[in-house]
Amino acid sequence: DTAVSQTPKYLVTQMGNDKSIKCEQNLGHDTMYWYKQDSKKFLKIMFSYNNKELIINETVPNRFSPKSPDKAHLNLHINSLELGDSAVYFCASRKTGGAGNTIYFGEGSWLTVV
Amino acid sequence: EDKVVQSPLSLVVHEGDTVTLNCSYEVTNFRSLLWYKQEKKAPTFLFMLTSSGIEKKSGRLSSILDKKELFSILNITATQTGDSAIYLCAPFRNSGNTPLVFGKGTRLSVIA
Repeated sequence: DTAVSQTPKYLVTQMGNDKSIKCEQNLGHDTMYWYKQDSKKFLKIMFSYNNKELIINETVPNRFSPKSPDKAHLNLHINSLELGDSAVYFCASRKTGGAGNTIYFGEGSWLTVV
Repeated sequence: EDKVVQSPLSLVVHEGDTVTLNCSYEVTNFRSLLWYKQEKKAPTFLFMLTSSGIEKKSGRLSSILDKKELFSILNITATQTGDSAIYLCAPFRNSGNTPLVFGKGTRLSVIA
């Protein structure tokens, strides 16, 4: 069973469209994240979210918004897609507190904007 | 602002060589440092280091943390082509909803 699963795995879309990437974790974690990895392979935090607070990286355009229907899901909505949004988006999760601080990643969603 | 610097940014070695990857950090309220390996897909967890001076080992990989000098190293001995990957380090802060901030990674290429 996949611990952190993202869909779709691959997405090709035109500029200006609105799209969503879904993320689900079955680990019972209470904190979830979205990371963006660009062509230079730099893994950059976009959002950090648990049921108490949302932390937004201030460099993320407000066209990006996370939506969490429940603790096991954190979806990423992107409005008015731009060419520069092309990247791999990774969802991740962890359980806060305790000794197990390891963060678990999904397999990534490859977004190509044309 | 948190800082994570990894060096070298890229490295090409021959099979059998030993490599040392460096990670220095500046993080408030530091708790642990994590190392990940990324091949073609998602980063996979290697080590979590919390205490200074205690080496963690997994096969040919080992890592150690120096909390006084604020750095960690990852050693790989007798490298194999399967070790080719990007190695990422991330210091972790001691507070609830804290994202991991990764370094830019070291791209290791092991050639036969």
